[in-house]
Amino acid sequence: GAGVSQSPSNKVTEKGKDVELRCDPISGHTALYWYRQSLGQGLEFLIYFQGNSAPDKSGLPSDRFSAERTGGSVSTLTIQRTQQEDSAVYLCASSPVGTGWGGGTDTQYFGPGTRLTVL
Amino acid sequence: DAKTTQPPSMDCAEGRAANLPCNHSTISGNEYVYWYRQIHSQGPQYIIHGLKNNETNEMASLIITEDRKSSTLILPHATLRDTAVYYCIVRGFTYGQNFVFGPGTRLSVLP
Repeated sequence: GAGVSQSPSNKVTEKGKDVELRCDPISGHTALYWYRQSLGQGLEFLIYFQGNSAPDKSGLPSDRFSAERTGGSVSTLTIQRTQQEDSAVYLCASSPVGTGWGGGTDTQYFGPGTRLTVL
Repeated sequence: DAKTTQPPSMDCAEGRAANLPCNHSTISGNEYVYWYRQIHSQGPQYIIHGLKNNETNEMASLIITEDRKSSTLILPHATLRDTAVYYCIVRGFTYGQNFVFGPGTRLSVLP
């Protein structure tokens, strides 16, 4: 079946502009995660959605970052007034599980990422 | 979540088995061991996970020691396409927890 898809694959923008990154999770997956990966660095957690709600926004680096998820499916990550330090690959992952106990089997499946370059 | 320790890099000859170790000495009883890999410029790819029993799938085998303080990912017949960074992650039992990726092991499969 189709995996997690993200668009655009590449985005170049000027400092100060707003950008929107889109994630289409695997159909039926209730949980959705956003991470980012700066050049040569590990993955940094940004935000987690369970359905349309975001119980964990702890990783968002500043109030310029926001995300929403509608219909329990597509999610959009918005970065306002982009800065050069926002340049990174933004990765989305989804998993099939709901709430409760048993998260050890909560395997996350990642999309290909969006490479954001802020000039 | 328990912290993991992996060697920064390893080499393996094409066609041979690649054995990637991971130490997780502070793992607790309800934490799973996950393995992902990331091939250059791609998103992380799930490989395998386990709790205490050894596991095998079409990609790899996971051997977890009896005390669960370490594990080994085995790629039985490594190919050039297996060159990637491999991440060992220990993760708790709560839904919605993000994965914490460390620096991983950079595996180079050599012709």
